[in-house]
Amino acid sequence: NAGVTQTPKFQVLKTGQSMTLQCAQDMNHEYMSWYRQDPGMGLRLIHYSVGAGITDQGEVPNGYNVSRSTTEDFPLRLLSAAPSQTSVYFCASSYLPGQIISGNTIYFGEGSWLTVV
Amino acid sequence: GIQVEQSPPDLILQEGANSTLRCNFSDSVNNLQWFHQNPWGQLINLFYIPSGTKQNGRLSATTVATERYSLLYISSSQTTDSGVYFCAVVNQAGTALIFGKGTTLSVSS
Repeated sequence: NAGVTQTPKFQVLKTGQSMTLQCAQDMNHEYMSWYRQDPGMGLRLIHYSVGAGITDQGEVPNGYNVSRSTTEDFPLRLLSAAPSQTSVYFCASSYLPGQIISGNTIYFGEGSWLTVV
Repeated sequence: GIQVEQSPPDLILQEGANSTLRCNFSDSVNNLQWFHQNPWGQLINLFYIPSGTKQNGRLSATTVATERYSLLYISSSQTTDSGVYFCAVVNQAGTALIFGKGTTLSVSS
């Protein structure tokens, strides 16, 4: 059981380049999400999905695109990278957040460190 | 939306000291969790505690939902406790975890 797998772990991009952060989970979770973590800001939700074919915006969606064609995968696309997107990105999966009960938790990937120069 | 505030933002301790971290939230919640992010960035769930008290070794947590706060206690701190502690609540739509900005704990030997 691999849990939540994110790739790549580190990436340097030039301004204007595009790239995709990959996220996969093998726990058959309906819910998947992407957060970004910036110093002093905690984790902020970018996009989330409650099932295959269903996605929605979080708190900071601008400049990012997502899709959910399968239950397992939830890639995050940066369309035209900007220095403001330098951050650490976390993918997470769980049962639906409204249904998280004791013993069911949210699982985070190990993070992807992205630098845009 | 729900606001989550944590205090203190930073905490520096000597090994063996006790500490209390606080999480205030702006609306009633039925799902509150505490996480620890270690210095390598890994996020680990510590407690699911929408109300009441739970203990796990040297860590314990108490949530008083009616007064909209939760406390995380760390006793006899160790250097391995260093990192950032987050509390998070589920938003009212049930679609996302809303995180506080965290408390950064540094424990020195």
